Amino acid sequence: DQQVKQNSPSLSVQEGRISILNCDYTNSMFDYFLWYKKYPAEGPTFLISISSIKDKNEDGRFTVFLNKSAKHLSLHIVPSQPGDSAVYFCAASGSNFGNEKLTFGTGTRLTIIP
Amino acid sequence: GAVVSQHPSRVICKSGTSVKIECRSLDFQATTMFWYRQFPKQSLMLMATSNEGSKATYEQGVEKDKFLINHASLTLSTLTVTSAHPEDSSFYICSVRTGVHEQYFGPGTRLTVT
Repeated sequence: DQQVKQNSPSLSVQEGRISILNCDYTNSMFDYFLWYKKYPAEGPTFLISISSIKDKNEDGRFTVFLNKSAKHLSLHIVPSQPGDSAVYFCAASGSNFGNEKLTFGTGTRLTIIP
Repeated sequence: GAVVSQHPSRVICKSGTSVKIECRSLDFQATTMFWYRQFPKQSLMLMATSNEGSKATYEQGVEKDKFLINHASLTLSTLTVTSAHPEDSSFYICSVRTGVHEQYFGPGTRLTVT
């Protein structure tokens, strides 16, 4: 049962344009969401997070939007740069779960075309 | 955040032998660490939660007698894969919990069992 889904396994975007990565979740108990960036053979790097009490959080080129009614979040990267090419994972956590485990999506491979 | 290291970065072992992977939190007193496994082109799957000074909590389907976890100090957790078999070949990643939801990840260990 995949509780966090990233339906696009891959995405290609022209350098300078906006990259939009999507993530859907099914568990209504999730109340905190994170995005991680991962290069091959490396651990994930934290990018940005959002609490369910907000619908938007911005940090530099990265903005995360949360639509609780749709159980959907998205990560916007603008402008996209070649160094952004990586696999992006969304992750969800719930404060009622005890040890606040992260449930990861399946990842989206983003390729920025120079 | 936290700086997390793992050792070794890659290891090859023969079937039936045991392998120990170390996860160190270099600049944060980690009460809780997590161990994940990632198969090629798949998501990160949580294996267990490692709590300093107490027994690890394993996820459903993870054999605790096969994947031994020791978290003897606030800076070190170890994962020992006992009697390794080729199907245990994977990318093992640890993380340090730094906040209610936030985790910072190590660079991972590539285990290949021949």
